[in-house]
Amino acid sequence: SAVISQKPSRDICQRGTSLTIQCQVDSQVTMMFWYRQQPGQSLTLIATANQGSEATYESGFVIDKFPISRPNLTFSTLTVSNMSPEDSSIYLCSVEDGVAGIGEKLFFGSGTQLSVL
Amino acid sequence: AQKITQTQPGMFVQEKEAVTLDCTYDTSDQSYGLFWYKQPSSGEMIFLIYQGSYDEQNATEGRYSLNFQKARKSANLVISASQLGDSAMYFCAMREWGSGAGSYQLTFGKGTKLSVIP
Repeated sequence: SAVISQKPSRDICQRGTSLTIQCQVDSQVTMMFWYRQQPGQSLTLIATANQGSEATYESGFVIDKFPISRPNLTFSTLTVSNMSPEDSSIYLCSVEDGVAGIGEKLFFGSGTQLSVL
Repeated sequence: AQKITQTQPGMFVQEKEAVTLDCTYDTSDQSYGLFWYKQPSSGEMIFLIYQGSYDEQNATEGRYSLNFQKARKSANLVISASQLGDSAMYFCAMREWGSGAGSYQLTFGKGTKLSVIP
C-alpha cells in the first residue's frame, strides 16, 4: 500500500490565521482527497485534487476557505484560511492505491489535529 | 436516507472474544466497494478490509473478516480473538462506481466505538 506522510501532525492556531497541511505520497497517484473530521463526527469530503487541474469542492466547502494545491503526482497541500474555532478538526488526506488488484482501495495519511483558539 | 448506517455507537467485548460490528448500506449502483477503517485515539485512519460488490467470497484479513450479505445490504465486520489494542473507533464506508458526482468519494458511517475489556 502507498505510504502517506502528512504534516503537521497537530497544531494549535490563533483565530484569523491560516495553516497549510502537507500530504506526501511515496508513489505517483492520480487522485488525492482531503477530508475533515469534526470532533466526535464522521469524515466529510472537502475536495478532490487532481494534478494539473483545479480541485473539485464538495457542497459547503469553498476554494477561498480551503485552497488546495496539487503541483505533482506525489504531493498536495490544503490550507485552512482565516481560521475560527469551528475549524477545529482532524484533517486527513487520502489516496487511491494504484497497485494492480487493489486499485479501488483508499488509504489515509496520519491526519492533522487542528485546534483553533 | 443515509448511505451507511452503523447502529451501534459503542460496543464492549472481552479480550480474546469475537465481536461483530454492524453496517448496512444503501445504493442503487451495481458496482460498489465496502471498506472498514480503524481510528485509534491518535486520529489516523487505518484500512482494515475491503469487499467489492462482485466478490463472491467474504473478505478476510488476518483476524478481520467481513460478513457480506448483498441481498440484505449488510457488511458486518467480525474481529476474532479481540486484543486490547483493538480498542478504537471503527468506520464502515462505501465507494460507488455509478454515474454521477459521487463516484470517487468514500461515504462514511458515524462509527462504532469498540472497547476491549481485559
